[in-house]
Amino acid sequence: TQLLEQSPQFLSIQEGENLTVYCNSSSVFSSLQWYRQEPGEGPVLLVTVVTGGEVKKLKRLTFQFGDARKDSSLHITAAQPGDTGLYLCAGLKARGNEKLTFGTGTRLTIIP
Amino acid sequence: NAGVTQTPKFQVLKTGQSMTLQCAQDMNHNSMYWYRQDPGMGLRLIYYSASEGTTDKGEVPNGYNVSRLNKREFSLRLESAAPSQTSVYFCASRGQGNGYTFGSGTRLTVV
Repeated sequence: TQLLEQSPQFLSIQEGENLTVYCNSSSVFSSLQWYRQEPGEGPVLLVTVVTGGEVKKLKRLTFQFGDARKDSSLHITAAQPGDTGLYLCAGLKARGNEKLTFGTGTRLTIIP
Repeated sequence: NAGVTQTPKFQVLKTGQSMTLQCAQDMNHNSMYWYRQDPGMGLRLIYYSASEGTTDKGEVPNGYNVSRLNKREFSLRLESAAPSQTSVYFCASRGQGNGYTFGSGTRLTVV
């Protein structure tokens, strides 16, 4: 059973376009993280959101945690080829819980 | 700036062979983890260690054993490799806060 479902699974868009990736669950998470993974490397943490409704911005990337803390979204404005990669959301069920649960991933390709 | 170091980077095993994947972190983190990554499945937790001297099962522990040798090192052992264990294995550590630091992975093929 996959607790975190990401959509879309694959996305290929032109440079300069905007996009949104979704991470959904029926479970409540105390915090949610987004990672980006490039080929041959491990995931790298982009952001952590902990409060329902929280919005965080990282340059052209905007992350939002749902009010009920069951879902999250990643919006990229004016996508660039350097944004290409596998984006993973991951959630912690409770503070102090050691088990980070990962989503299924969204493979993003930005075409120059 | 080593972070989390995994060895080896690539390995091919025959069914039934054993091997140990090594992981070391130099960030003085208490918690360490082993994940496997398969296409379309995201990362799944195999085992974790919340502190030196403790280990616990994750989502997919069958066929694996772990050892938290000291605070720096957390190894993953396959006693009798099976083709179903073909995967990319990632070690990670976590310190203050919730962010994980991952190694660059071990690509294992069992034939």
